[in-house]
Amino acid sequence: NAGVTQTPKFQVLKTGQSMTLQCAQDMNHEYMSWYRQDPGMGLRLIHYSVGAGITDQGEVPNGYNVSRSTTEDFPLRLLSAAPSQTSVYFCASTAGTGTYEQYFGPGTRLTVT
Amino acid sequence: GDSVTQMEGPVTLSEEAFLTINCTYTATGYPSLFWYVQYPGEGLQLLLKATKADDKGSNKGFEATYRKETTSFHLEKGSVQVSDSAVYFCALGHVGSTLTFGKGTMLLVSP
Repeated sequence: NAGVTQTPKFQVLKTGQSMTLQCAQDMNHEYMSWYRQDPGMGLRLIHYSVGAGITDQGEVPNGYNVSRSTTEDFPLRLLSAAPSQTSVYFCASTAGTGTYEQYFGPGTRLTVT
Repeated sequence: GDSVTQMEGPVTLSEEAFLTINCTYTATGYPSLFWYVQYPGEGLQLLLKATKADDKGSNKGFEATYRKETTSFHLEKGSVQVSDSAVYFCALGHVGSTLTFGKGTMLLVSP
């Protein structure tokens, strides 16, 4: 099992460029989430999905889009990057709600100049 | 809304010292509580969890007890090692399978 994988590991974008952060899991988990980690802010939820075809917004969704066409994949799209989106992005998946462990990917460090 | 407050760091200790990292929460209902650890350059890993009041989670010498009366979930370890140096996050779990995190506490252990 690879667990949760994320690509790329590092990325530098110019303001206004678009890109997709990839996330995949091979544990057949229904629930997947995207978080961003900023210094002194902890992790904040961007978007999440409770199954293929179902997504919802988290605490900080502006500037990001997601879709969930398969159980395995949950890409995060930045349509027009802004310096405020400079952050480390983590994808996570879990088998169930509430009490279940979340499994995190290794993260993508994004810099927007 | 739900929130988690944990002590600010860094916490600097010598090897074999006793560790406490405070965590308190505000939530509706009775969430599950978690401690996650992040080693340098890595993602987060679950350290321990508790799902109801008075539960004690434990792993790798770390412990935390779910205290409903004080809305707390403090992390403790009797004797820290250099290898415990990391950032520790307290979090509460929601029915929708997502987590609300505290801001993290960096622990630095010196030999």
